[in-house]
Amino acid sequence: GAGVSQSPSNKVTEKGKDVELRCDPISGHTALYWYRQSLGQGLEFLIYFQGNSAPDKSGLPSDRFSAERTGGSVSTLTIQRTQQEDSAVYLCASSPTGSSNQPQHFGDGTRLSIL
Amino acid sequence: DQQVKQNSPSLSVQEGRISILNCDYTNSMFDYFLWYKKYPAEGPTFLISISSIKDKNEDGRFTVFLNKSAKHLSLHIVPSQPGDSAVYFCAAGYNNNDMRFGAGTRLTVKP
Repeated sequence: GAGVSQSPSNKVTEKGKDVELRCDPISGHTALYWYRQSLGQGLEFLIYFQGNSAPDKSGLPSDRFSAERTGGSVSTLTIQRTQQEDSAVYLCASSPTGSSNQPQHFGDGTRLSIL
Repeated sequence: DQQVKQNSPSLSVQEGRISILNCDYTNSMFDYFLWYKKYPAEGPTFLISISSIKDKNEDGRFTVFLNKSAKHLSLHIVPSQPGDSAVYFCAAGYNNNDMRFGAGTRLTVKP
């Protein structure tokens, strides 16, 4: 498809396990963003990749969270030793160059539930 | 530090009337503002935007107003339709930095 694709759409796991969430951005988009939305909350910025520049990791809530973007395309968000407060919808977005005047295109998110 | 704030978590209006969603920001560096609409189980979709050099942008039933001196913007929907019922997010950014989003306002348009 032509849009941002995220997988899995739902993930249920036990506390303490590691999880990996995947994002396929729109082809050609150099900017990629990860957000999370906890129940009843707004969009919380996590990390931003722009081309080959060092990512902006300022939104990652703890060192259990990390993300990679291989080959400037697909990105993986990894959460180690998951906690119940990690339960949220994790959203990925991309834009052509990351300029602020470009709308971001969002995937439908991964709903993560930690038991 | 919440740089973009939407102080009304919810809004309910009658079909055909005007919906006004509000957003305040604190960072004077922001030069571009966007509104996104989100339905359940879907990602947000872009609705309308405005540059800081303008004070109004209109697209069909949707108009965004920007008051830079007050660091305030609003989204007007008129006439409101039941299909407009969704969560609306305000976002702001500058240069090539990451966008900051508000907490969202859930709009319900009653038939």
